[in-house]
Amino acid sequence: DADVTQTPRNRITKTGKRIMLECSQTKGHDRMYWYRQDPGLGLRLIYYSFDVKDINKGEISDGYSVSRQAQAKFSLSLESAIPNQTALYFCATSDSGAAQETQYFGPGTRLLVL
Amino acid sequence: AQSVTQLGSHVSVSEGALVLLRCNYSSSVPPYLFWYVQYPNQGLQLLLKYTTGATLVKGINGFEAEFKKSETSFHLTKPSAHMSDAAEYFCAVSAPGSNYKLTFGKGTLLTVNP
Repeated sequence: DADVTQTPRNRITKTGKRIMLECSQTKGHDRMYWYRQDPGLGLRLIYYSFDVKDINKGEISDGYSVSRQAQAKFSLSLESAIPNQTALYFCATSDSGAAQETQYFGPGTRLLVL
Repeated sequence: AQSVTQLGSHVSVSEGALVLLRCNYSSSVPPYLFWYVQYPNQGLQLLLKYTTGATLVKGINGFEAEFKKSETSFHLTKPSAHMSDAAEYFCAVSAPGSNYKLTFGKGTLLTVNP
C-alpha cells in the first residue's frame, strides 16, 4: 500500500463550488505539505504543517485553506473554486528534522474547475 | 531567499546517449540540493540529494549529480539513457533558515528516442 494517499485522484467542479482534497499518510511523519503543479511553473507551496497545531502559509495560499485533523491527515479546501485553480495538487510529507529531509509525495489530484 | 533555475524545459536524447540536465541555484547560505523525478501520472520521487560531504552524489537508476559551489550548479547526468528514463525532472533547493521549505525549479521534460 502507498505511504501517501490522496483522494480523489481526479475531480471536476464548477466555479463557486467548495471542494476538499484529502491526504493521508502512514509514514508517521510530522510534517505535511500541499503543492500545486502547473505546466511550466514547477511546484509551488500552498500550505505546510509541522504538526497538528502548527500550520503555515506557503507562497500561494490565497483562495485555499487547510485542516490538519490528525498527524496522518491533512486536507486542502477551496472555499469557492475558480478556473485558475485548475491544476495538479500534490500532498507531501517529511520527517521532523533538518532542511535536508526528503519529502515523500502522493500520486496527486487532478482538479478541473469549469 | 533561495531560487532554482533549470536550463531547458525540454531535453531530447537518443537511447544510449548521455543525459545532461542543468540546474543552477541561488542561496545566501550553503544549500541542500535535490533532484526529483516525476514519471507520467505519478507523484515525485527522490532521485538523489546533496547535503554535505562528497560533492559527487550518486542516485537511483544510474543518475548522478555534482555540486559545484563556484558555479552554483548541480547538474544531473547519466551516461546512457534508457527509454524508461523518460519523465519530468525537478531540481530543488532547501537551506537552513528557510524553515525547511523546498523551492523547486520549473522542471525539465526528458524525452528518449529509440
